[in-house]
Amino acid sequence: AQSVAQPEDQVNVAEGNPLTVKCTYSVSGNPYLFWYVQYPNRGLQFLLKYITGDNLVKGSYGFEAEFNKSQTSFHLKKPSALVSDSALYFCAVRDIAADSWGKLQFGAGTQVVVTP
Amino acid sequence: SQTIHQWPATLVQPVGSPLSLECTVEGTSNPNLYWYRQAAGRGLQLLFYSVGIGQISSEVPQNLSASRPQDRQFILSSKKLLLSDSGFYLCAWKIGPDSGYTFGSGTRLTVV
Repeated sequence: AQSVAQPEDQVNVAEGNPLTVKCTYSVSGNPYLFWYVQYPNRGLQFLLKYITGDNLVKGSYGFEAEFNKSQTSFHLKKPSALVSDSALYFCAVRDIAADSWGKLQFGAGTQVVVTP
Repeated sequence: SQTIHQWPATLVQPVGSPLSLECTVEGTSNPNLYWYRQAAGRGLQLLFYSVGIGQISSEVPQNLSASRPQDRQFILSSKKLLLSDSGFYLCAWKIGPDSGYTFGSGTRLTVV
């Protein structure tokens, strides 16, 4: 079965500092990995995905993530955080071998708070 | 362009009343469709998914049901709401084997 963990309920960072949101996953086969962001009372917005190829994936709004197969991690990063990056971030995984219906398993979410 | 619509945006319903939430997609055909519930503003729980008209799979047995009467329409229903049905309901669609989800804007349901 596929699963994903976001070990931090909340990440606090000062504006201009680097931001990292952690994600680890567990799948039986190869993973598809995704990051989404959610603002209050809104749907989730897609940030980036890893399917195959280069382990460093670049996405929207200056975010990037690095796929690390040996550590089964897919941490989200941004070199310089903005106050407007304050939101709820979700990591999601799909186990290609185990699931033919495209179902994503989401982590519990990490609240990011960027202070001015 | 491809878009997804969910309505209503907010809904307050008494316990025991029926529910119908609608989700439609535009600009695509034969999408996979999903209903998620988000409780307490955090984790997402997959409720139902559909890979085609009339094809519904339930992930969690509960007080809700889903239907897909048309290719681009996905409906979440209940005959009698419970307090525990309160939450933020999100519809999503996926097209293509490598794509992620596109989410609707969500419906905030409060059962009183």
